[in-house]
Amino acid sequence: QTVVTQEPSLTVSPGGTVTLTCASSTGAVTSASYANWIQQKPGQAPRALIYSTTNKHSWTPARFSGSLLGGKAALTLSGVQPEDEADYYCLLYSGDAQTWVFGGGTKLTVL
Amino acid sequence: EVQLVESGGGLIQPGGSLRLSCAASGFSVSRNYMSWVRQAPGKGLEWLSVIYRGNNTYYADSVKSRFTISRDNSNNMVYLQVNSLRAEDTAVYYCASTPDYCSGASCYAFQYWGLGTLVTVSS
Repeated sequence: QTVVTQEPSLTVSPGGTVTLTCASSTGAVTSASYANWIQQKPGQAPRALIYSTTNKHSWTPARFSGSLLGGKAALTLSGVQPEDEADYYCLLYSGDAQTWVFGGGTKLTVL
Repeated sequence: EVQLVESGGGLIQPGGSLRLSCAASGFSVSRNYMSWVRQAPGKGLEWLSVIYRGNNTYYADSVKSRFTISRDNSNNMVYLQVNSLRAEDTAVYYCASTPDYCSGASCYAFQYWGLGTLVTVSS
């Protein structure tokens, strides 16, 4: 069973830049992992931000970007806004089993 | 406008069964990959199952023997039959989908989400 690991928590100052990462226990995350990044604020449903590693949805603010970094999927927020305070989950695809696995989530605090 | 609305949750005793429903509007479930995801109270998201256009279905190991995903194209609905419920199945259950007419990379996008339906397993 694949385990996907994210930083449990990160803190960033308003206007700053932060990178969240997502690692797989099975090895390097690649484009074939089709990484998704999902944002969730308290009491709200999840909201999609990034799909297939780098692609943004029409509503995704430009300050969010996805990439591969050192064998991990990464979500970078540049020019962080107070409203970016939320939980962020990565979701990786396992082509062998055709299943998906979420990471444990990163709680991002803007302080 | 695309909308997903889940229903069917509630209080159920351990060992019981429920059928969760996801009503889609603004697109056809038959054209899309439809998934179920859950979130236990205070915990993270957990992917459960997917049904593809061709009716192939896949499940997380944790629920494979107890949960069944299905689709009713005529009513534009997706279902999750959950059996032999345990206390640890207590969660909000979300329906999610790819974008309409997905192709290539977009078929791996969890683009649309419903607001969820709460299942509480307790005696």
